Amino acid sequence: QSVLTQPPSASGTPGQRVTISCSGSSSNIGSDTVNWYQHLPGTAPKLLIYTNNQRPSGVPDRFSGSKSGTSASLAISGLQSEDEAVYYCAAWDDSLNGWVFGGGTKLTVL
Amino acid sequence: EVQLLESGGGLVQPGGSLRLSCAASGFTFSNSAMSWVRQAPGKGLEWVSAISDNGDTTYYADSVRGRFTISRDNSKNTLYLQMNSLRGEDTALYYCAKVIALEGEYYFDYWGQGTLVTVSA
Repeated sequence: QSVLTQPPSASGTPGQRVTISCSGSSSNIGSDTVNWYQHLPGTAPKLLIYTNNQRPSGVPDRFSGSKSGTSASLAISGLQSEDEAVYYCAAWDDSLNGWVFGGGTKLTVL
Repeated sequence: EVQLLESGGGLVQPGGSLRLSCAASGFTFSNSAMSWVRQAPGKGLEWVSAISDNGDTTYYADSVRGRFTISRDNSKNTLYLQMNSLRGEDTALYYCAKVIALEGEYYFDYWGQGTLVTVSA
């Protein structure tokens, strides 16, 4: 049971916009920033969004993040086949004094 | 280019020990906090441990506290994870990650490819 809650799966067709939600609590998302990682099997996880809505250099602007209260979401517009991956949200937890992750959302491009 | 190369994984019996290493390059290692994150087979990512840039401060997940010890050698640009009293549930791919730790902002900006630890009799 992950501290942050994500839907286990999401899907969309090429060109569509999909969103992935991440729900937490006052000790993590409610008090600290949210980050998103993209993970393809057999590869190193990749930082996708940091500090709620910032994109590292090289991440397309099709990816965007937002946060409100104790929840956050990742939006992917103009869906492409190479976006098929597992997406994780994460945040620092002030009560646990460590990072917590969501369970991951497997995105399928139909 | 930032590179993180983990090593030291393998098969170990329950109750045994293993030491993982992570060789870092492409950035000023002594200025960066570092962390270990693992992924059990078929499961999601789980944070394991973190250490400050000078090694003075360490953090552990409840699941490993008292059994695992994180350390670093800044002269060798290397991060370590000493794992003792290993259990079956410690079986996972262990990733080394570079940490950005600023006030209110904590995240992993680079990850290694991982090293596999299998705990089995």
